[in-house]
Amino acid sequence: DAGVIQSPRHEVTEMGQEVTLRCKPISGHNSLFWYRQTMMRGLELLIYFNNNVPIDDSGMPEDRFSAKMPNASFSTLKIQPSEPRDSAVYFCASSVARLSTEAFFGQGTRLTVV
Amino acid sequence: KQEVTQIPAALSVPEGENLVLNCSFTDSAIYNLQWFRQDPGKGLTSLLLIQSSQREQTSGRLNASLDKSSGRSTLYIAASQPGDSATYLCAVEDQGAQKLVFGQGTRLTINP
Repeated sequence: DAGVIQSPRHEVTEMGQEVTLRCKPISGHNSLFWYRQTMMRGLELLIYFNNNVPIDDSGMPEDRFSAKMPNASFSTLKIQPSEPRDSAVYFCASSVARLSTEAFFGQGTRLTVV
Repeated sequence: KQEVTQIPAALSVPEGENLVLNCSFTDSAIYNLQWFRQDPGKGLTSLLLIQSSQREQTSGRLNASLDKSSGRSTLYIAASQPGDSATYLCAVEDQGAQKLVFGQGTRLTINP
């Protein structure tokens, strides 16, 4: 398996634009997680899905952020409208089950909002 | 609210030394604890996963211990090599929130 695949690897956009980040989890994994990493706050969980259903989105910072998982092999994280403070590295991770199993991370998307 | 702290924030040692990275957490009600490695510009790689009922896990030159009652874990790296240079992150799977809570990491540099 190629691991968790994220696209794009880098994204530079202007403030106010819509940004869509994409993730393909490892085949057979039932749980998918979106994290954000910044120097100030470290790694923060934004939302996670179990069997394509959002379980906890309490980490989503604002209504400008939304995430979907239309099927077991694809998820998106959308920011609309984007702001400079959204600049961060966004990671997607997947695991076999929701709890107590090893999490596998993608390479991340480095987002810069100017 | 679960909080995870890693000390030190950065560590630089000469090649060949054995070293210990520390992780502490405030709430002992956890499912497990994981140690990850992150190389610059890359994602996280899981190194070791310790279930709450376990005391330690070993993989090659790495050994991680867990003392749930005191809220502490250590990652021991034996015979360090320059290739071990990376940021090491500790994360606990919190029973209350049922999600991984990460520390800020320890940036390790092994000097040849």
